[in-house]
Amino acid sequence: AQSVTQLGSHVSVSEGALVLLRCNYSSSVPPYLFWYVQYPNQGLQLLLKYTSAATLVKGINGFEAEFKKSETSFHLTKPSAHMSDAAEYFCAVKGNAGNMLTFGGGTRLMVKP
Amino acid sequence: DSGVTQTPKHLITATGQRVTLRCSPRSGDLSVYWYQQSLDQGLQFLIQYYNGEERAKGNILERFSAQQFPDLHSELNLSSLELGDSALYFCASSVTGTSGTDTQYFGPGTRLTVL
Repeated sequence: AQSVTQLGSHVSVSEGALVLLRCNYSSSVPPYLFWYVQYPNQGLQLLLKYTSAATLVKGINGFEAEFKKSETSFHLTKPSAHMSDAAEYFCAVKGNAGNMLTFGGGTRLMVKP
Repeated sequence: DSGVTQTPKHLITATGQRVTLRCSPRSGDLSVYWYQQSLDQGLQFLIQYYNGEERAKGNILERFSAQQFPDLHSELNLSSLELGDSALYFCASSVTGTSGTDTQYFGPGTRLTVL
């Protein structure tokens, strides 16, 4: 079985500061990993995904994530936060049967002016 | 806009009642997934359909059922509703549902409130 742990349910950064959202996974097979963003009252939007190609994955809106097998991590970063980045971010791992996604608990990102 | 549509957007009902949530996948997608998002359980996978057939089951209660129709739209039926069923229900779709690299595209969700 696979699982995802997101460290920090709330993260607060200043506008222009580095964003770092942490995700650790557990999987018995090579994982496929995803980051989704959820804006208030909206569905989930894919930011980026790791599918065993390059370990550094670039996504939309300036976000990127690095897959580190030795650390079982897939942390999400952005060099400079914008106010519009305030949202909830979910890390997810894809399982073996039926491609269901297993989500972490989510991290709410707050951006201070 | 992901291309996945869900109706209704909001649903308010009473305990013991039955409701049906509807989802239309993106054009060309064969697989549909249902997820429940609640404050205490987070985002949980319920069930997946692929081209009309059930493919995977997650933490779906026996009071809940789903189906995918020949036109590929899907319905999630929730019966004997309890207060704890209040949640946001998401539908997602993907092209095949059998490839690990498939991206799941999520709809805007249906917010169910059970009073």
